[in-house]
Amino acid sequence: EADIYQTPRYLVIGTGKKITLECSQTMGHDKMYWYQQDPGMELHLIHYSYGVNSTEKGDLSSESTVSRIRTEHFPLTLESARPSHTSQYLCASSDPESGETEAFFGQGTRLTVV
Amino acid sequence: TQLLEQSPQFLSIQEGENLTVYCNSSSVFSSLQWYRQEPGEGPVLLVTVVTGGEVKKLKRLTFQFGDARKDSSLHITAAQPGDTGLYLCAGRIYGQNFVFGPGTRLSVLP
Repeated sequence: EADIYQTPRYLVIGTGKKITLECSQTMGHDKMYWYQQDPGMELHLIHYSYGVNSTEKGDLSSESTVSRIRTEHFPLTLESARPSHTSQYLCASSDPESGETEAFFGQGTRLTVV
Repeated sequence: TQLLEQSPQFLSIQEGENLTVYCNSSSVFSSLQWYRQEPGEGPVLLVTVVTGGEVKKLKRLTFQFGDARKDSSLHITAAQPGDTGLYLCAGRIYGQNFVFGPGTRLSVLP
């Protein structure tokens, strides 16, 4: 079973607030990802990281930022939340050492900005 | 940009029926994965296939990777309400990020 954790699971916050979504994995995977998924829709890659001090933008433009100071931790921050940021955010990791053949996902954070 | 297409988009069947869902692309993948996702949860990995023509079985689920490694199918025998969910396929080309299909939303009615 994959050991990747996201907190909080659910977050309702007012417009203009700064938020950080946490993601941690205990598998020692170098590569980590953030996806955005609207209800019933497909996953869109918004950020990824090859390892410590590496961050890259994904296919979908996002106003969020990420950091990777430690291998196991890949938090996502929104400096000023807006209703358009309402979505589900999914964190994942994969292991380049074993061929990176699969991604393991956290349970997600459902964000609602009111 | 590689695209993965999945069909059907929606499928509603009765308990006990068999079904097959498909994942197709014009790109050749080094590996392909199938996930199941329930509402409000993250995708859970079901299987990974890496060899063209490969067939893998997971209880009542049978996964096949096309000979050319461009497509895959998922067959469920005697579907149960617990099989209900969004089935996602994802492919990866070596050195690139995963590409996800839009999913097939399956509903199995008791």
